Amino acid sequence: GAVVSQHPSWVICKSGTSVKIECRSLDFQATTMFWYRQFPKQSLMLMATSNEGSKATYEQGVEKDKFLINHASLTLSTLTVTSAHPEDSSFYICSASPSARGTGELFFGEGSRLTVL
Amino acid sequence: KQEVTQIPAALSVPEGENLVLNCSFTDSAIYNLQWFRQDPGKGLTSLLLIQSSQREQTSGRLNASLDKSSGRSTLYIAASQPGDSATYLCAVSPWHAGKSTFGDGTTLTVKP
Repeated sequence: GAVVSQHPSWVICKSGTSVKIECRSLDFQATTMFWYRQFPKQSLMLMATSNEGSKATYEQGVEKDKFLINHASLTLSTLTVTSAHPEDSSFYICSASPSARGTGELFFGEGSRLTVL
Repeated sequence: KQEVTQIPAALSVPEGENLVLNCSFTDSAIYNLQWFRQDPGKGLTSLLLIQSSQREQTSGRLNASLDKSSGRSTLYIAASQPGDSATYLCAVSPWHAGKSTFGDGTTLTVKP
């Protein structure tokens, strides 16, 4: 398999602060990574596609100025929730696919639980 | 627009039973189909990947089939165990780096 690491696993912050979540592919390179949001007992909601060296592509309805995505290298993408509010509390998950394999198989991070007070 | 449906939404079986989870998709132009497992509060674990040219994949007690023309996939779990209790999701991708479409999942409970 392939390993994707997400950090932090959980974070609690005050309303109005910004939080950064990291997604790293530990043993492969990924040109593209994906960020999702998941509400309790619901499936994944794709937020954006993170592209190495270029701007992320956001899904309709996702505020790009609020959810800043940076994909500075082939092994790291970050999601920054800016000026977080309680409604941003959620489970955020990233995924990546080894570019070299060409199979499109997705590997997921462990997820990050964000709680905004 | 691709749509993925998983039936049933929830399933409860006694330990040792063989079971089948279903996944259907509306657009047969897929690159691959992937089955995942998600435990509560965790990320997704890849179980099986089936490329569009393949009919099935096996891993241990798991067997996944793909009928692309009819837009269906099944995940067969043999001799279920309590540790198999989790939510199982299927996802289809239109190309190797494309956005996958996920089903809502089937929540499986295996009772000892």
